[in-house]
Amino acid sequence: GQQVMQIPQYQHVQEGEDFTTYCNSSTTLSNIQWYKQRPGGHPVFLIQLVKSGEVKKQKRLTFQFGEAKKNSSLHITATQTTDVGTYFCAVSGGGADGLTFGKGTHLIIQP
Amino acid sequence: DGGITQSPKYLFRKEGQNVTLSCEQNLNHDAMYWYRQDPGQGLRLIYYSQIVNDFQKGDIAEGYSVSREKKESFPLTVTSAQKNPTAFYLCASGSSRDSLRYFGAGTRLSVL
Repeated sequence: GQQVMQIPQYQHVQEGEDFTTYCNSSTTLSNIQWYKQRPGGHPVFLIQLVKSGEVKKQKRLTFQFGEAKKNSSLHITATQTTDVGTYFCAVSGGGADGLTFGKGTHLIIQP
Repeated sequence: DGGITQSPKYLFRKEGQNVTLSCEQNLNHDAMYWYRQDPGQGLRLIYYSQIVNDFQKGDIAEGYSVSREKKESFPLTVTSAQKNPTAFYLCASGSSRDSLRYFGAGTRLSVL
């Protein structure tokens, strides 16, 4: 089935520094989704990428889909305390229900 | 106000007891899902249902049961056979048009 590796597992940054999480697959992906889960909260859908080389921005967040559609990244510029949480990628294919979640990257921000 | 409602927010289970977690959605989604999340971990699929009166096992279905008698409702029962039930349980729904998941606020289950 579809496998997706998300790195790093944990990332500590100083407030104001940038942050990037990566999602990698050994096979070509049809699309990729990103979710954010605040501490104590539930995952919330952020964005879906479909096209090769696609780049989408949401304020300080930049999402990128690789040219080969085998990897994706989420970059946050100048982190703020509100960015704390776990960021998950999810890819179609694999899993019993056709969607496989990465294990997530925990973002910890030190003021 | 559309969304997914899970109840209760916190639940305590005594040993040997079955408990049922509620999940209701008014998004008119065909599909509903149950995930388990352990501290600091990712999401593991327990059961899912793509249509009323039908459901499928996920990756960790043992010790759990579900029903889907109505489109809006997908309750999860944690049975006494589940020996390590302490976790955060998330219900989600989704449209048949895409693979997006819309999550409820979750239920935290602990064992007394």
